[in-house]
Amino acid sequence: DVVMTQTPVSLPVSLGGQASISCRSSQSLVHSNGNTYLHWYLQKPGQSPQLLIYRVSNRFSGVPDRFSGSGSGTDFTLKISRVEPEDLGDYYCLQSTHFPWTFGGGTKLELK
Amino acid sequence: EVQLVESGGGLVQPGRSLKLSCAASGFTFSDYNMAWVRQAPKKGLEWVATISYDGSSTYYRDSVKGRFTISRDNAKSTLYLQMDSLRSEDTATYYCARGSAYWGQGTLVTVSS
Repeated sequence: DVVMTQTPVSLPVSLGGQASISCRSSQSLVHSNGNTYLHWYLQKPGQSPQLLIYRVSNRFSGVPDRFSGSGSGTDFTLKISRVEPEDLGDYYCLQSTHFPWTFGGGTKLELK
Repeated sequence: EVQLVESGGGLVQPGRSLKLSCAASGFTFSDYNMAWVRQAPKKGLEWVATISYDGSSTYYRDSVKGRFTISRDNAKSTLYLQMDSLRSEDTATYYCARGSAYWGQGTLVTVSS
């Protein structure tokens, strides 16, 4: 199985500040079709996860441009600029290139 | 608007069965692969199973293989998860997902005597 190592586990931030979350995979996430199926989610308390970024760097519908994704191969990053209160919660990366799909362990974005 | 509404969760004894349903609307159900993902209380996310758009292919995580069955009825726009021989470690909120993009609100399954 592909192991997704997500860091940090906890990320204290100030409102208006910047946050960066890393996800590293134990093997390449490049599919045989050339696409890389690495996605980022935010789960707010009491809610289901919501897709932020799909296939490394594509913002999902309605996601503000404060969120950006980058990376390739086995090393990926989610950046949040100008953090707002509604950005707080648990962030997860997901790889769906290989079965079984695997998630990172999660990062809790909280106020400093 | 894409909507996914799960149902069928509840309290069940170890070794018993439960069948979850996910009613889909707002998109052409038969065009999309569908998945179940679960989240144990206060824990992270765990993929359970995926079914292809036409039901011809299914994929499972090892810990549920042989006990869970994912299926779909495209005429009813409904996804299912038949869960047999349930264990305490299957206790979780189960989410239905359209591919990896849209998720339902989840249904809680508690396996306990």
